[in-house]
Amino acid sequence: EPEVTQTPSHQVTQMGQEVILRCVPISNHLYFYWYRQILGQKVEFLVSFYNNEISEKSEIFDDQFSVERPDGSNFTLKIRSTKLEDSAMYFCASRGQFNTGELFFGEGSRLTVL
Amino acid sequence: GIQVEQSPPDLILQEGANSTLRCNFSDSVNNLQWFHQNPWGQLINLFYIPSGTKQNGRLSATTVATERYSLLYISSSQTTDSGVYFCAVGTNTGRRALTFGSGTRLQVQP
Repeated sequence: EPEVTQTPSHQVTQMGQEVILRCVPISNHLYFYWYRQILGQKVEFLVSFYNNEISEKSEIFDDQFSVERPDGSNFTLKIRSTKLEDSAMYFCASRGQFNTGELFFGEGSRLTVL
Repeated sequence: GIQVEQSPPDLILQEGANSTLRCNFSDSVNNLQWFHQNPWGQLINLFYIPSGTKQNGRLSATTVATERYSLLYISSSQTTDSGVYFCAVGTNTGRRALTFGSGTRLQVQP
């Protein structure tokens, strides 16, 4: 069964460092998403991406965040200068259709900022 | 935006017991998914169920879209069922795909 894969599974970084989280969506999917979950809280939407541009972003997704699809398979989330409050689980998701259909999630990347 | 409320927030069961988790939402949806978050933090997709009823082993789910709620049934619970169960919904504007509820934390005791 096709799946969404994420790397790394866990990353520890120092405050102020840049972090790139990588995702390989399901191959025929066109719509990509990043969500974030701070420990003990609910899963929050960060950004949606289609046709090489952002479709929508939340208030969390400020100038420190960026996304790109550099090579047609990977979908990356970059945090330019990490803060302590960026410590969270980051989930990538994809689906084949715009506004309907099941969303498939990766297993998550846990980011710890010290 | 759409509001998603899950109840109960916490639930403790003895192994073998049955339970019902509820998800209420404030607007029409065209997507509803149930997830189980395991102790490692992974989101396990249980059901894609914008309407109707589905069953998968000891788990089943029902969504009544016209009345804006969904139910997740767990029968003969096992300790491995422990974790947090999330309901997430999507509307036909589609851009955020899913809005998550706050979850139900389930603990199954041996």
